[in-house]
Amino acid sequence: DAKTTQPPSMDCAEGRAANLPCNHSTISGNEYVYWYRQIHSQGPQYIIHGLKNNETNEMASLIITEDRKSSTLILPHATLRDTAVYYCIVYNNAGNMLTFGGGTRLMVKP
Amino acid sequence: NAGVTQTPKFQVLKTGQSMTLQCAQDMNHNSMYWYRQDPGMGLRLIYYSASEGTTDKGEVPNGYNVSRLNKREFSLRLESAAPSQTSVYFCASSLSRNVNSPLHFGNGTRLTVT
Repeated sequence: DAKTTQPPSMDCAEGRAANLPCNHSTISGNEYVYWYRQIHSQGPQYIIHGLKNNETNEMASLIITEDRKSSTLILPHATLRDTAVYYCIVYNNAGNMLTFGGGTRLMVKP
Repeated sequence: NAGVTQTPKFQVLKTGQSMTLQCAQDMNHNSMYWYRQDPGMGLRLIYYSASEGTTDKGEVPNGYNVSRLNKREFSLRLESAAPSQTSVYFCASSLSRNVNSPLHFGNGTRLTVT
């Protein structure tokens, strides 16, 4: 599976959009981009995933660049409850495991 | 609909003791997984079960065994606990091993081995 690079930490003001970047320059054609988050002491929570098109659900939007080498997770109106570690992962059928790296620690501030 | 339920939530063992971590899901998922999480290491896959009746090793299987008891339940056994197995253990499930099938996680078992 391709490796991902994320900033270790970010801050966001409550009510503003949080834009979390992820670099996956070695992604291959059949690999999906997945985002999970982990709120302190809880299990990881699935947020969204996509292959090449932008995706939106009730939690977030996922913007994938045309060359698929990077993506951005957007939380449109961040709340204090969105404070968590956010993991960007690329994954394909051939891989035996979903590998979680270091993630980005997002701090939403009042 | 509870999702993925893990028991116990906390456990302290002495070196050499054995125990079984239990996991059950009520989402009719076919695939189940056991991960461990250590500070600074992210999550690492221990074992997974692609479907009922099958199990396979993940990244860090040494010192563990698993049983896929039925479609709902997937247990993780430590036969002789070691301090290196002190960790937080997460169980997860997904509809299938298909790449388009997200994982759903339980809230973990916090294990300390002294």
